[in-house]
Amino acid sequence: DAMVIQNPRYQVTQFGKPVTLSCSQTLNHNVMYWYQQKSSQAPKLLFHYYDKDFNNEADTPDNFQSRRPNTSFCFLDIRSPGLGDAAMYLCATSRIAPGSSYEQYFGPGTRLTVT
Amino acid sequence: GIQVEQSPPDLILQEGANSTLRCNFSDSVNNLQWFHQNPWGQLINLFYIPSGTKQNGRLSATTVATERYSLLYISSSQTTDSGVYFCAVVRGTGFQKLVFGTGTRLLVSP
Repeated sequence: DAMVIQNPRYQVTQFGKPVTLSCSQTLNHNVMYWYQQKSSQAPKLLFHYYDKDFNNEADTPDNFQSRRPNTSFCFLDIRSPGLGDAAMYLCATSRIAPGSSYEQYFGPGTRLTVT
Repeated sequence: GIQVEQSPPDLILQEGANSTLRCNFSDSVNNLQWFHQNPWGQLINLFYIPSGTKQNGRLSATTVATERYSLLYISSSQTTDSGVYFCAVVRGTGFQKLVFGTGTRLLVSP
């Protein structure tokens, strides 16, 4: 089945120690998104890649970076995690093209703990 | 920007009961999705429904775009229906950010 895969599902890192979360997709979608979700809140968009074009949300901290080496993979790098970065990180994909629905499909998420 | 409000914010049901969740949005939309976030945090697509009515098993959804609301119906609820239900909308064409509603937290007790 076509899907969005995130690894690892749970990640523990130390305060200030860089961490990378990964996302892959078999849907051949041209847009990939990273969201941050904290308890009892809706997901918050951090950035997205539209093909190879990176688009950062205005309020995304500089501490968060992303890479998309090819259509299938996208990475979220947190350069110096703080305690406030503990959250669920969700990857999503969609296809933007004439006639497409723009429906977004989400992966299972990576729950990040910062100690 | 567009505002998306959901009601009720919290809902407790006995297993087997029916329920209706509502999503109101403040402007016209091109895309509306309903999601179920399970207790493990996974966000599961339920419906893509910018207008009209769809059904999938015990769940159905209706969007009345001209009146700017959508309804999610859950019939014969089960404990596995527990979690948070989000609606999310997109305005315009091309890339537009998915704007999430405030969510409805559902607990179905045995």
